[in-house]
Amino acid sequence: EAAVTQSPRNKVAVTGGKVTLSCNQTNNHNNMYWYRQDTGHGLRLIHYSYGAGSTEKGDIPDGYKASRPSQENFSLILELATPSQTSVYFCASGVWGTGDNQAPLFGEGTRLSVL
Amino acid sequence: GQQVQQSPASLVLQEGENAELQCNFSTSLNSMQWFYQRPEGSLVSLFYNPSGTKQSGRLTSTTVIKERRSSLHISSSQITDSGTYLCAMEQGTQVVGQLTFGSGTRLQVYA
Repeated sequence: EAAVTQSPRNKVAVTGGKVTLSCNQTNNHNNMYWYRQDTGHGLRLIHYSYGAGSTEKGDIPDGYKASRPSQENFSLILELATPSQTSVYFCASGVWGTGDNQAPLFGEGTRLSVL
Repeated sequence: GQQVQQSPASLVLQEGENAELQCNFSTSLNSMQWFYQRPEGSLVSLFYNPSGTKQSGRLTSTTVIKERRSSLHISSSQITDSGTYLCAMEQGTQVVGQLTFGSGTRLQVYA
């Protein structure tokens, strides 16, 4: 069964600390994405990747890094966490092409609080 | 300004009533997608609809590219339809799957 798994599901971090959010997909999808969701903004794209070894900046990349060491894994890294990065983070995977299989699959989300 | 605008922001219905959710976009696009976000936060894809009308059970999505709008119709609403409905557009210049989301319509259905 196709799946996107995020860990941790909940995280409390201190300002200035390093945070790593992990995402694993078993869908054999080339593309992976990290979004954040805040009240009033819907989901906004932070980073994405075309495949192992590639990372690209999305719409709001400042303060975040990404790593794609393999087809299955895509991490989001906050080197120096700030309270403004308190949010819910979603990972997704997707494929190229057209048709009804275009919709990306989303993970369950990670709730991050930076104090 | 915001490229994807959803309306209404929130909606309260009595069970059995119909709902019409709107999404308007300000730029050209490749496709429009609709997602349902459960109250606990998980996201489920409802429709990938680049143009025309698609139906799945009580849900109908209609996208009119030249008018830059898409709608989601929910017929005979049920309490289990409660949650947030998000539309997202894939722009012509963006990577497949790189979506721009609206802010969502929060739907509450009561008995």
